[in-house]
Amino acid sequence: ELKVEQNPLFLSMQEGKNYTIYCNYSTTSDRLYWYRQDPGKSLESLFVLLSNGAVKQEGRLMASLDTKARLSTLHITAAVHDLSATYFCAVDISRGQNFVFGPGTRLSVLP
Amino acid sequence: GAVVSQHPSRVICKSGTSVKIECRSLDFQATTMFWYRQFPKQSLMLMATSNEGSKATYEQGVEKDKFLINHASLTLSTLTVTSAHPEDSSFYICSATGSTADTQYFGPGTRLTVL
Repeated sequence: ELKVEQNPLFLSMQEGKNYTIYCNYSTTSDRLYWYRQDPGKSLESLFVLLSNGAVKQEGRLMASLDTKARLSTLHITAAVHDLSATYFCAVDISRGQNFVFGPGTRLSVLP
Repeated sequence: GAVVSQHPSRVICKSGTSVKIECRSLDFQATTMFWYRQFPKQSLMLMATSNEGSKATYEQGVEKDKFLINHASLTLSTLTVTSAHPEDSSFYICSATGSTADTQYFGPGTRLTVL
């Protein structure tokens, strides 16, 4: 059974600081997604990583994928309060037909 | 492109009643639709996968007689929660994928509260 883990599950950080969220998974896949979820809302797609070594950046967020290590990272640079949300990684093990989500990382950025 | 809608966005019902949630793909044909359930402060858990014109495939532990899924057209899937109970209260999110896409597009979710 595929397991997807995220670390940490809760993260409280101050504005201006940097931090990394890790997503580990237990089976072979070269397709991984990062989503943001605000309270009461559905998922907002952040990044799609489709190959080993893929790196994507958008604003203060940067995601990478190492398929050999079965690890993806979401790096936050100079955090701002607006980044407060829950972040999920999802591993795609069947080209769109089977997504397995991690437990989520609840990020709180304090002023 | 690739917009998925859900209706209603919120629903409150009494225990024992049935509730139907619609999931529509607005600008593409959804050959496969997925239904997820998300309890507060938890992750998304896949309930079932449905292909147009076929019976849905349910994940282990999901009662198919309680959660009826119909995918009668390439743009519409419905989830009916039958004889709802308070423990069915949750956030239900659908997603869809088309024949030429190899990713899922997520709907805005439906908040179900059973009193």
